Amino acid sequence: KAGVTQTPRYLIKTRGQQVTLSCSPISGHRSVSWYQQTPGQGLQFLFEYFSETQRNKGNFPGRFSGRQFSNSRSEMNVSTLELGDSALYLCASRSAGGAYNEQFFGPGTRLTVL
Amino acid sequence: AQKVTQAQTEISVVEKEDVTLDCVYETRDTTYYLFWYKQPPSGELVFLIRRNSFDEQNEISGRYSWNFQKSTSSFNFTITASQVVDSAVYFCALSGETSGSRLTFGEGTQLTVNP
Repeated sequence: KAGVTQTPRYLIKTRGQQVTLSCSPISGHRSVSWYQQTPGQGLQFLFEYFSETQRNKGNFPGRFSGRQFSNSRSEMNVSTLELGDSALYLCASRSAGGAYNEQFFGPGTRLTVL
Repeated sequence: AQKVTQAQTEISVVEKEDVTLDCVYETRDTTYYLFWYKQPPSGELVFLIRRNSFDEQNEISGRYSWNFQKSTSSFNFTITASQVVDSAVYFCALSGETSGSRLTFGEGTQLTVNP
């Protein structure tokens, strides 16, 4: 099975712009979660989508949003970018068998905001 | 609130040494799950193990072993006969009844295995 894929792998944006990141989960996985990783804050949960519905949300401002499509692919959008949004954004998928099933992560999208 | 603490920020060992990575957690959930992930320089988090709160049996997988002790809220990870390829950042994580599938990660431990 192919793993979780994320595109693009690298992005450079300027403050005030918006960005959309994409994640394709492992085939058959219906849950997709997003995490932000920064040197200062570590790994932080953004949100989770399951069957096109947001199931869980972390403590991030409304500038961070996401959605999931019927094929389970997910996108994450950040509007009005700030310098502090520079981070590695990781997507994870898990099978639907249980909320505590292991999550499998993609390679991440490294976003740099100038 | 849930919390995971990995007090060791960096560990450096010489190849073939054994090394233990510490993880201490806090949760009020009765049912919870603990995880270990490895993050090599490529950035991808690689799943290593999942353990639920009702199973305190230690586990061994090749050179890896895990010691789960509810009495001390710890879930430590030992690599036996370390190899250079083990060099990575290792994260301990927790999820539970109140958080669903949301993972709470520790700060991570950077392990460097020198030849």
